Formats: sequence, structure tokens, C-alpha cells
Amino acid sequence: GESVGLHLPTLSVQEGDNSIINCAYSNSASDYFIWYKQESGKGPQFIIDIRSNMDKRQGQRVTVLLNKTVKHLSLQIAATQPGDSAVYFCAETENQAGTALIFGKGTTLSVSS
Amino acid sequence: GAGVSQSPSNKVTEKGKDVELRCDPISGHTALYWYRQSLGQGLEFLIYFQGNSAPDKSGLPSDRFSAERTGGSVSTLTIQRTQQEDSAVYLCASSLAGYTGELFFGEGSRLTVL
Repeated sequence: GESVGLHLPTLSVQEGDNSIINCAYSNSASDYFIWYKQESGKGPQFIIDIRSNMDKRQGQRVTVLLNKTVKHLSLQIAATQPGDSAVYFCAETENQAGTALIFGKGTTLSVSS
Repeated sequence: GAGVSQSPSNKVTEKGKDVELRCDPISGHTALYWYRQSLGQGLEFLIYFQGNSAPDKSGLPSDRFSAERTGGSVSTLTIQRTQQEDSAVYLCASSLAGYTGELFFGEGSRLTVL
């Protein structure tokens, strides 16, 4: 069945390091992908999105890479800070006019100073 | 309010009881979503409302679950005859129109069924 999953459940990094969080998806019809950050006790917050006609998109300290050939998505965080500690979810949908945004199980990022 | 508001923030109930969870979306947001998040899991889609269109109920796990949205604003998720496996955080999100990807989530209602 269709699923969105993450390669590692936890990632521990030192402050200042770059972090890479990976995500694999199985639905080849997915054409819109989003990364969300969820801090403890809060709802998820939008970080960055990317459409399937792109392979890279940059934000402030974050970069999302999309490899449609192997159905892989990654989130890169530059100069990781303690405030980046959270659970990160990738999500996908088949089209923007659709409804269900399918979330993966999440990767917990822990940043130590 | 400035963000999506959900109530109650915590609800403990006994197995077999009905519960209602409320969501106030951001003013002007026409789309409203309910998700469920079990411990250590991702977000499971439940239901989606868009304006006056018929809601997408494809994610509701059983007929014990229902939701309504009155006046295109406030939404109530109702769970009848609660079971222990219903214990989870129920998250509501809204967005401006249709699906944009940038959903604005509330802080959730944590439901515990004893």
C-alpha cells in the first residue's frame, strides 16, 4: 500500500553540525511534499514544501531535496541549533487539489550543545 | 483568535462513553482537517472539510467517528462508545483554501480512554 516513512526514528547531532533527515515514499503519483516540525506538546508547524517538478528548494537554514527516481525526500538543516530539537515529519499528497496529506511516522532530532 | 484553537486540551473518559472535541479554525480559513496522532506515530488523516462541499470522510476509522462543521467555521469531532484504542491526540488544522500544504495546526486534544 501507499506509505510515507522515515529511514531513522532518531537523530542526535551536536550544535552547529548539519543535520539530514531522510524520508522514503512509495506512491509514485505523489507530486507535492512537505516537511513539518513538531515540538513537544504542540501541533506540527510547516517548514518547507517542494513540488515534483523541482529537485531542490531552499529556505532559511533548511533545504529540501527530492529524488523522484528513487522516491526519496530529505531535509537538510544547516548549523543545527538546540531549538531545532523536535520531531520532523515528511508528508505527501497526490495533488494540491486533493485532500489527504499523508504523514510519515517522524524522526526525532536531538541537538546537544 | 490568532491560531487554531482546540478544546478540551485533555479529556479522560471511560470506555463506552461518547466524547466531543471542538476545533475553532483560523478566521477566514475555508479548509479544516482532523488528524489523529497515536503515541510515537505519525498523523493519521480522519476527515476534511472544504467550504460548502461534502466532506471527505475517507479517513474515519469506524462509524463511531463523525464530524460536523457548522457555518463553515467551528468543527466538532464526535467519538461514540469510545474504546481504549481511541486514545490519542486529535489534531485539527485549517488552511486558506483547498489544499496548500501549509496547514496550521492546533495544539490538539489528548484523549485517554480508560
